[in-house]
Amino acid sequence: NAGVTQTPKFRVLKTGQSMTLLCAQDMNHEYMYWYRQDPGMGLRLIHYSVGEGTTAKGEVPDGYNVSRLKKQNFLLGLESAAPSQTSVYFCASSFRQGQMNTEAFFGQGTRLTVV
Amino acid sequence: AQSVTQPDIHITVSEGASLELRCNYSYGATPYLFWYVQSPGQGLQLLLKYFSGDTLVQGIKGFEAEFKRSQSSFNLRKPSVHWSDAAEYFCAVGAQRAGTASKLTFGTGTRLQVTL
Repeated sequence: NAGVTQTPKFRVLKTGQSMTLLCAQDMNHEYMYWYRQDPGMGLRLIHYSVGEGTTAKGEVPDGYNVSRLKKQNFLLGLESAAPSQTSVYFCASSFRQGQMNTEAFFGQGTRLTVV
Repeated sequence: AQSVTQPDIHITVSEGASLELRCNYSYGATPYLFWYVQSPGQGLQLLLKYFSGDTLVQGIKGFEAEFKRSQSSFNLRKPSVHWSDAAEYFCAVGAQRAGTASKLTFGTGTRLQVTL
């Protein structure tokens, strides 16, 4: 059981380059999320999805786009990377039990450096 | 707006000593509360969670947390710390009711150092 898998684990980009981070979960969870983690700021929600084909903005969405074409995958795109996007990115997924949410399961993270 | 405050950025304890990490939250509805732990270079692992019932919840690795509604707190405790507990600890709050997804608001974290 792989859980939540993020690809790649490390990446260095030049300012202005684009890239896509892939998140895959094998738990059949409805909900998926992208967070970024910065020193002293905890984790902040970038975008999330409540189901295949749907996405929504989180707390810090600017400069990022997402897509969820398949239930098990959630892609995070940076169209024109900026040094301010240097961060560790975490994908997570969760499901619902009846009318209640459950805890989120996290991937191992992607460390992105923009130079 | 929901928020989580972890007032201690860094805590150092001796191995075998007791530990309490503080967490205060602000949330408009009934909260779903979590503690996660992150070892260096790793993802987040769930320690414990609370949404209803007994206000003292037990988690993995000997951790427990107590929900106090009157104080809007959800402090994490461990009676005797082990060197392997050195890590960063995050408190988080989210919605109980599905439909809004389990979007979490995290505190800024407390880094625990354990001295031998």
